[in-house]
Amino acid sequence: SAVISQKPSRDICQRGTSLTIQCQVDSQVTMMFWYRQQPGQSLTLIATANQGSEATYESGFVIDKFPISRPNLTFSTLTVSNMSPEDSSIYLCSVEGGGARTDTQYFGPGTRLTVL
Amino acid sequence: GESVGLHLPTLSVQEGDNSIINCAYSNSASDYFIWYKQESGKGPQFIIDIRSNMDKRQGQRVTVLLNKTVKHLSLQIAATQPGDSAVYFCAYNQGGKLIFGQGTELSVKP
Repeated sequence: SAVISQKPSRDICQRGTSLTIQCQVDSQVTMMFWYRQQPGQSLTLIATANQGSEATYESGFVIDKFPISRPNLTFSTLTVSNMSPEDSSIYLCSVEGGGARTDTQYFGPGTRLTVL
Repeated sequence: GESVGLHLPTLSVQEGDNSIINCAYSNSASDYFIWYKQESGKGPQFIIDIRSNMDKRQGQRVTVLLNKTVKHLSLQIAATQPGDSAVYFCAYNQGGKLIFGQGTELSVKP
């Protein structure tokens, strides 16, 4: 499967600021996704990062709050804008495919965000 | 709406015993199911998957069972070890999206 890295691994931010999270994959992938995992909760899909076009957002998530870039097939960024304490979560990127499993998703290590 | 749920939020087992983690889903059109393991401080790790044309699939020390009649999925871990302690999530893939269950925390007692 693909090797996925995220930066930063964790951060503590002030209310009202923005943080950009990077996701790097060691091979070209078609599908990349961003998830949020609130403390003690399951994973919720934020959006699908589309290469060369605007991201596709899930219900409850908007581009102004979570702008996403996907400049190529190995890299994506998620920005958490105008942060509030409610944005404190783990943010995970995932990619689809790799090896024999073309529709399985593999996850990065996550970015642990705390907003004060 | 669509949902994937787990019967037990926590499970404590003795080292060496077998573990069974259950999952119920509501969408009868689901055709692909995955189990993930998430250790503290890490991202979810793929364990095993199963497609709807199968009812059982075995891996190394793990078995996934699928009962489409009652829309139920289970993960069996044989000879549970301390390294198996983690949160386990079931998920189903539909239209390229993954929908996750709430998770079961497995605790292994030495």
